[in-house]
Amino acid sequence: GESVGLHLPTLSVQEGDNSIINCAYSNSASDYFIWYKQESGKGPQFIIDIRSNMDKRQGQRVTVLLNKTVKHLSLQIAATQPGDSAVYFCAETPRGTPLVFGKGTRLSVIA
Amino acid sequence: GAVVSQHPSWVICKSGTSVKIECRSLDFQATTMFWYRQFPKQSLMLMATSNEGSKATYEQGVEKDKFLINHASLTLSTLTVTSAHPEDSSFYICSAGGQGAPHVNTEAFFGQGTRLTVV
Repeated sequence: GESVGLHLPTLSVQEGDNSIINCAYSNSASDYFIWYKQESGKGPQFIIDIRSNMDKRQGQRVTVLLNKTVKHLSLQIAATQPGDSAVYFCAETPRGTPLVFGKGTRLSVIA
Repeated sequence: GAVVSQHPSWVICKSGTSVKIECRSLDFQATTMFWYRQFPKQSLMLMATSNEGSKATYEQGVEKDKFLINHASLTLSTLTVTSAHPEDSSFYICSAGGQGAPHVNTEAFFGQGTRLTVV
């Protein structure tokens, strides 16, 4: 979702359900994408990455989907757990340049 | 994954004083490190790219004389906030990539962040 002012969009899901977090990126030259998880007061933690020559990549309980046509990235978390509650950021980088972070989505897991 | 250590994790200082934040890569050499600032409920904004043995590259709008960056070795970069003011209060985060290809299609490893409060 899009951020409104200073408020992060929030996704609330029931424990055990699947979560889908979306991200629109802006630079068509970006060829590498990463999803990070950030817990309160901590630095970002790597979750999963994908290169532009792929459209899907799976990890443990997570899947990243990339749609280059519409410049859209999504993170799917299976069987969401309370420990998944955090803010999730997508990040993109055109080759050789620093990461650019998206606006972030807060995931709230309801037990 | 690689480990990046940031120190201190939090600091409170008086207006007008300077604060130094350290970022260390513990198990790899980092020719390039990055400094980000994050305000509450907002995303990470890149402040500058720290290059080992040369001058840092600052993003537009970031005052280089206020945010001094030193990258004297392959494992240490420091950010000094000079003459700090309350509006400099923020969460500062560093990151590092691998030697030779930092941030070129590789994941970035982040420090734990430093919460700076200027009173």
